[in-house]
Amino acid sequence: EAGVVQSPRYKIIEKKQPVAFWCNPISGHNTLYWYLQNLGQGPELLIRYENEEAVDDSQLPKDRFSAERLKGVDSTLKIQPAELGDSAVYLCASSLGDPTDTQYFGPGTRLTVL
Amino acid sequence: AQSVTQPDIHITVSEGASLELRCNYSYGATPYLFWYVQSPGQGLQLLLKYFSGDTLVQGIKGFEAEFKRSQSSFNLRKPSVHWSDAAEYFCAVAPDSQGNLIFGKGTKLSVKP
Repeated sequence: EAGVVQSPRYKIIEKKQPVAFWCNPISGHNTLYWYLQNLGQGPELLIRYENEEAVDDSQLPKDRFSAERLKGVDSTLKIQPAELGDSAVYLCASSLGDPTDTQYFGPGTRLTVL
Repeated sequence: AQSVTQPDIHITVSEGASLELRCNYSYGATPYLFWYVQSPGQGLQLLLKYFSGDTLVQGIKGFEAEFKRSQSSFNLRKPSVHWSDAAEYFCAVAPDSQGNLIFGKGTKLSVKP
């Protein structure tokens, strides 16, 4: 069974440029998460989807970050414009939705903003 | 404030030696508790999780963890470390029924031959 797929794996951009990350969750997983992992830190939740609905986006910096999950499957996280401090790893995870269910993580996208 | 604390940033052990990684949390009720491992270039992989019942939980790769309510701790252990265990280990809690994970800052494990 395929795991969570993320692309690209690496992205280097200039500050003020836009960038987008794509995530394909495990088939059948209705819950999808985006996490931000800064260097030397644990992941921090940005947004959680139940199917196509963003049920928790309280930690998403909405002035520059946006996300969508059309048709309740794939998801895209966008930053516009990127700032130097956005350099980090962006992780996508999916689960069946119960809090006791395992969250399966993708390999992440490492973003470097110059 | 609610938090997850992993007091050891970096631990080095010899191959074959025992291992204990510490995790403390500060939440009012007993949250759901998890340990994940992250190898370079890899996604986070679940080692084990605790919800209720037996406070000693067995996981994959020979790991186990013990929940101690009185100490608000969920320490990870392995009796004999292998070189392939070198990675970063994250303790996480789901403090409520929403399922959102709160992670500690991680402990990097190095293994000496």
